[in-house]
Amino acid sequence: NAGVTQTPKFQVLKTGQSMTLQCAQDMNHEYMSWYRQDPGMGLRLIHYSVGAGITDQGEVPNGYNVSRSTTEDFPLRLLSAAPSQTSVYFCASSLGAGDTEAFFGQGTRLTVV
Amino acid sequence: GENVEQHPSTLSVQEGDSAVIKCTYSDSASNYFPWYKQELGKGPQLIIDIRSNVGEKKDQRIAVTLNKTAKHFSLHITETQPEDSAVYFCALNYGGSQGNLIFGKGTKLSVKP
Repeated sequence: NAGVTQTPKFQVLKTGQSMTLQCAQDMNHEYMSWYRQDPGMGLRLIHYSVGAGITDQGEVPNGYNVSRSTTEDFPLRLLSAAPSQTSVYFCASSLGAGDTEAFFGQGTRLTVV
Repeated sequence: GENVEQHPSTLSVQEGDSAVIKCTYSDSASNYFPWYKQELGKGPQLIIDIRSNVGEKKDQRIAVTLNKTAKHFSLHITETQPEDSAVYFCALNYGGSQGNLIFGKGTKLSVKP
């Protein structure tokens, strides 16, 4: 009963490097999303997807790309990492949009130096 | 933006006391109001939710109240225990049923034995 799985759990990047944060869910949920969590800022929506092949921007999308080729996977790509992207990233999935329970992964703590 | 404001940001109570966290919002289309608990090093987890056609919902020691006219909702925890210590987030579906889940900035609750 895996739920939402995020990898890696920790990552350190140098400014300008690129990387992909992985997210997979095994609940056959259509809706998936990425949030970043910063101290005192709560959780802010980066990108979301309402189904395979469909993605859209959230509140803070700049510097991030997403794709949704399958129902299960929703990777988040940092194109050119910046110190401002140092954060904890959470992936979530749910049956529907914002009016259903969201299940969160354990998070990825990213540090950009 | 400030779509949902959460207060207080920190709350310290003695074991056995009650704790109340309040959130206010501005979006009239929101109709789903969940509360999430985040323990250290983990992703947020749903603890209780309420929909706009209900004024109050209770689950053992936790309850949520909603005042749609005044646009605020609150989490009530009675008979607090040390294991209730965590960060609590209110959330709502901004834009209505097909809208995204957005979060308050969180309340760090500490329950002293």
